[in-house]
Amino acid sequence: DTEVTQTPKHLVMGMTNKKSLKCEQHMGHRAMYWYKQKAKKPPELMFVYSYEKLSINESVPSRFSPECPNSSLLNLHLHALQPEDSALYLCASSHRLRGQAFSGANVLTFGAGSRLTVL
Amino acid sequence: GNSVTQMEGPVTLSEEAFLTINCTYTATGYPSLFWYVQYPGEGLQLLLKATKADDKGSNKGFEATYRKETTSFHLEKGSVQVSDSAVYFCALSDQGGANSKLTFGKGITLSVRP
Repeated sequence: DTEVTQTPKHLVMGMTNKKSLKCEQHMGHRAMYWYKQKAKKPPELMFVYSYEKLSINESVPSRFSPECPNSSLLNLHLHALQPEDSALYLCASSHRLRGQAFSGANVLTFGAGSRLTVL
Repeated sequence: GNSVTQMEGPVTLSEEAFLTINCTYTATGYPSLFWYVQYPGEGLQLLLKATKADDKGSNKGFEATYRKETTSFHLEKGSVQVSDSAVYFCALSDQGGANSKLTFGKGITLSVRP
């Protein structure tokens, strides 16, 4: 299995709703990522989990709350979002070596994304 | 900090034309370099990579050579197809530690007409 699976593919929510995006991989990768991508722009890194612990938070507003329940799953909990948060949310995963400099190319495998619309 | 600069787009070509998409980078140390492709309505897919100077990455007829002296990683294909229409992102990853990150260029849209 060489895929990253994201659900749902499309999500429409109001500004007072609470929803979650889900991501799953079974490649044995121990690093998982959330990216946000606006139309015609490159992906912007939001969060990185390494061995199920949050290792990078790129100053993301607290209305986005990541969770990594186990090595295969990554969630992004959404609450009180704004219309400007509408975007494609991409999950990715990669190999990660614990406790030592990474000597190889950090190749990310991306999911197809969840397209979020906030009304 | 690290940065990636891609040529301005969009690019429109006829089928079977030669393609070059320029990419230059700024980084400390010895980064790994990548080209990712995003087809309409999809996530990003790794197209090719190179991990050290003079390495050539290749896949699906696309090639790019890691040129340290010119800090470049230009993407080329000898004969494009309509199915190559997509957005192409050049990216680099530093080699250090548990918090290494991927830095993307702005991306360029390629349209290939029959």
